[in-house]
Formats: sequence, structure tokens, C-alpha cells
Amino acid sequence: DAEITQSPRHKITETGRQVTLACHQTWNHNNMFWYRQDLGHGLRLIHYSYGVQDTNKGEVSDGYSVSRSNTEDLPLTLESAASSQTSVYFCASSESDRQNIQYFGAGTRLSVL
Amino acid sequence: GDSVTQMEGPVTLSEEAFLTINCTYTATGYPSLFWYVQYPGEGLQLLLKATKADDKGSNKGFEATYRKETTSFHLEKGSVQVSDSAVYFCALSVRSGYSTLTFGKGTMLLVSP
Repeated sequence: DAEITQSPRHKITETGRQVTLACHQTWNHNNMFWYRQDLGHGLRLIHYSYGVQDTNKGEVSDGYSVSRSNTEDLPLTLESAASSQTSVYFCASSESDRQNIQYFGAGTRLSVL
Repeated sequence: GDSVTQMEGPVTLSEEAFLTINCTYTATGYPSLFWYVQYPGEGLQLLLKATKADDKGSNKGFEATYRKETTSFHLEKGSVQVSDSAVYFCALSVRSGYSTLTFGKGTMLLVSP
């Protein structure tokens, strides 16, 4: 069955370190998204991609970057982790059709100490 | 800009009670509307959707009707179960195919036996 997987599921890092969260989907979807989930804020869009070599900034992109070198993967990099980036991160993907249904991974819980 | 407003939770109900979770939206054009559900420790999954005014989405006993005149998409279920305990997110997208989702902040539902 097609799926979307995130790794690691849990990560603890120190302030100032570079961190990369992986997202891999086997749906062959063109569209991929990264969100962060925080209490009181719901889900906020960080970056998204509509295809290979395409990336776009979302609502809360400062301090994050992504690159899309193939259809399956959209890694999220925190250039220099800050305590404010402690959160749960979700990756999602969707087909480029009228349905606009996004399929989510199980999430990565990141703690920056 | 586009936005979604949900009632704050938690909503606490006894098993077999009637559920309503309110959702209103602000958007340009004619958005598609979604309800996603997040069970503990998991990612979000689509519960139901509606793409045009007066459409009713339904799934697993949940229903929501797209009301353009009141810009609302309230989620209802006639008889909740303990297994319905989760966080529910209302969301919209304004352009098919290449569109991000705008989420509400989520409403936690707790159902007791």
C-alpha cells in the first residue's frame, strides 16, 4: 500500500545544531507539504512543493529550508535549531487534482534544548 | 486572507450524546471545505469534505453541510462513541490542484463511557 513515512519519530537536539527531518511518500504525488503543530495554533504551513525542483515558503518559514530533488522526498532542514522550534512536525502529500486531499505522515516530535 | 475559526475545546460528552463542532470560514472565491481527524499519537486523516454550496459530506456517522450563506461547515454526529475521542480540524482550500490547506486550530473531543 502507498504511504507517507516520517523519520525520526522523536528527536532531541541542542540549540544551534542543524537538524534534518525526513519525509518519504510512495503515492507518487506531485505536491508535498510541511506543517508544524503547536498548542493553541493548530497546524501552520512551513514550506511546500508542487513538484521536483519547486519549493515555496509557507506561513512560518523563517529558520527552515526544504529541497525537492525527486518526487518521493521532501526533507525539512532547521539551519540552526532554536527552542522556539520545539514542536510536532507533519509532512503531507496530495495529488495535483481537484480533490485537494492531503495525506499525512505520523509526525516527528522535535525537542530543542 | 483566508481563515478558519473553530469552537474551542475540549468538548466533553458522554457516549451516545449528540455532537456539534462549529466551523466558520473566510475565503475569496468558492473554497472546498474539509474536516480532518487526528487520533492520539497519529497524523491527520480526512474525515469528510464538500466542494460546493449545499453539498453534504459524510463518513463514519459524521456529517457536515457546506453553508455558503452563513460561511459555515459545522460537524455533527448523532451518537458519539468513546472511539471518537480525537482532535478535529476544519480546513479549506481555494484553488483545486495546486492549493494549500488553511486549518482551524482544532477542537479536542473527549467521550466518556
